[in-house]
Amino acid sequence: DVKVTQSSRYLVKRTGEKVFLECVQDMDHENMFWYRQDPGLGLRLIYFSYDVKMKEKGDIPEGYSVSREKKERFSLILESASTNQTSMYLCAARGDSPLHFGNGTRLTVT
Amino acid sequence: EDQVTQSPEALRLQEGESSSLNCSYTVSGLRGLFWYRQDPGKGPEFLFTLYSAGEEKEKERLKATLTKKESFLHITAPKPEDSATYLCAVITGNQFYFGTGTSLTVIP
Repeated sequence: DVKVTQSSRYLVKRTGEKVFLECVQDMDHENMFWYRQDPGLGLRLIYFSYDVKMKEKGDIPEGYSVSREKKERFSLILESASTNQTSMYLCAARGDSPLHFGNGTRLTVT
Repeated sequence: EDQVTQSPEALRLQEGESSSLNCSYTVSGLRGLFWYRQDPGKGPEFLFTLYSAGEEKEKERLKATLTKKESFLHITAPKPEDSATYLCAVITGNQFYFGTGTSLTVIP
């Protein structure tokens, strides 16, 4: 069965901190994605990657960067966390068809 | 502009009261439509993929249908454990577009 694992379910960070969100998939899929989900705004694409060391900006990349050094791992980095980055962050992986999501990381920036 | 709209935003049903959720889309070059279930505090769980108008998929009390402009998720005789947010997404090219979801509450 498909499995996407996000390393933390809940994180609390202070403004200005550098934050790393980790995601691992066990499906050998090329494509991986980072979304954030906010009430009333739905899912918004931050970054995606279609291969190792490859990355593409999504709709809202400002304030974020990503790293994909290995096929199974896709990291989201908040260079200097701000309160408006408080959100639910969802990682997903995709092979031929649907996106498969992890259980999300609820990040609070204070 | 490509977009996906779900209605209603929220739906309350009595246990056993069947209903339908709607997902309408305006995209060019639809390659697939997906339904997900999302429980509070968790990631979306994949339910169905539909590829072409007329296609139907079923799973337990859920049935998804697709036309050229919209998809319906029919819920037959729902139970309280069906309470969740149901998300619709479409893919065109390599781009996914998500609706904002329908929050379903089934009352015992």
